[in-house]
Amino acid sequence: GAVVSQHPSRVICKSGTSVKIECRSLDFQATTMFWYRQFPKKSLMLMATSNEGSKATYEQGVEKDKFLINHASLTLSTLTVTSAHPEDSSFYICSASITGGRVQETQYFGPGTRLLVL
Amino acid sequence: GENVEQHPSTLSVQEGDSAVIKCTYSDSASNYFPWYKQELGKRPQLIIDIRSNVGEKKDQRIAVTLNKTAKHFSLHITETQPEDSAVYFCAAKAIGGYNKLIFGAGTRLAVHP
Repeated sequence: GAVVSQHPSRVICKSGTSVKIECRSLDFQATTMFWYRQFPKKSLMLMATSNEGSKATYEQGVEKDKFLINHASLTLSTLTVTSAHPEDSSFYICSASITGGRVQETQYFGPGTRLLVL
Repeated sequence: GENVEQHPSTLSVQEGDSAVIKCTYSDSASNYFPWYKQELGKRPQLIIDIRSNVGEKKDQRIAVTLNKTAKHFSLHITETQPEDSAVYFCAAKAIGGYNKLIFGAGTRLAVHP
């Protein structure tokens, strides 16, 4: 149980294009999902908290117009990197907490999406 | 806001030895502390967690201890095996809405046969 999927697993795009990453909770409902960015050999940096039916909450320093988040249902959140540039290249990971779960703080992670912007 | 520090950044042990990773947190109101294991190129996997009303929790070869007064918690792995080699992250739940987690910088554990 508590499986989170992400799509695509890796994407290469040209500078200036937009890329959409999907995060799905496959066997549970998730009112809240989280988006992280991870640089090589570094920790998980929280970008934003995605809430079903409301606007995402962004961490300080994260541009909300650059990283658009939509949490349209209890099982799907999307992150769109708009007008991507090479410095946006990174590993993006989502996580989800089980709505109504025994330990609601527990986050289950997706497999990540490796983005390379040329 | 919450800040989590993790030590050491790298740890090398011989197979069968024990490994200990330590974390400190800044917000005394934090009440949930998970540990994640991340293998190269893979997703972080929850291996154990502890709440602030418990001082110690054990699951087979893995244990976590929490000292609320000192605001630190530790991961203990006994009888290490090569498959324990990975990066381990501690985290603390930030106070406020949405159960946000703040992660430590990670510890790269290498278990040598």
